[in-house]
Amino acid sequence: NAGVMQNPRHLVRRRGQEARLRCSPMKGHSHVYWYRQLPEEGLKFMVYLQKENIIDESGMPKERFSAEFPKEGPSILRIQQVVRGDSAAYFCASSLESQKRSYEQYFGPGTRLTVT
Amino acid sequence: AQSVTQPDIHITVSEGASLELRCNYSYGATPYLFWYVQSPGQGLQLLLKYFSGDTLVQGIKGFEAEFKRSQSSFNLRKPSVHWSDAAEYFCAVGGGEYGNKLVFGAGTILRVKS
Repeated sequence: NAGVMQNPRHLVRRRGQEARLRCSPMKGHSHVYWYRQLPEEGLKFMVYLQKENIIDESGMPKERFSAEFPKEGPSILRIQQVVRGDSAAYFCASSLESQKRSYEQYFGPGTRLTVT
Repeated sequence: AQSVTQPDIHITVSEGASLELRCNYSYGATPYLFWYVQSPGQGLQLLLKYFSGDTLVQGIKGFEAEFKRSQSSFNLRKPSVHWSDAAEYFCAVGGGEYGNKLVFGAGTILRVKS
């Protein structure tokens, strides 16, 4: 049973370019979460999605960041016009749909974004 | 404001010694509580979780944690640490006013000396 898959594992972008991070949840999981980990900090929630719906985006920066979880395919976190401050590790997590189990989140290996 | 506090940034213990990592949270009711472990360059692995019931919960790799409502704490323990336990440990809370998101502490880096 494959776990949460993220790709790429490492991504280097120049300032002003776009970054696309992909996440495939665990089999049977319909909830996806994105978190960001800045150097020497804990993880900060960004967005919570279900298929074709954004449920909670309270942690997303207001500009340049967007996320989607289409009916088919992986969830995508998109960062437009990246700046050096976007350099971080971005983790995706997934969970089951049932009420209590939806809080039990399983994490992918992360995408480490470096902006030069 | 919602918060999770891990007061120890670094802890060093000798191999075979016991371990306790502290975690306190601010919340009016009992949230769901979690401990995760992260090895360098890796993702997070769920060690254990508390939803309700018995306040002492067992997890993987020989870890346990005790929920103490009166102290708003959920400390992680292990009776005998192995060198492979060296990693960063994160406490997290979810549910209730937190909704579906997890709120993480800043983490505690565990070093194990032989």
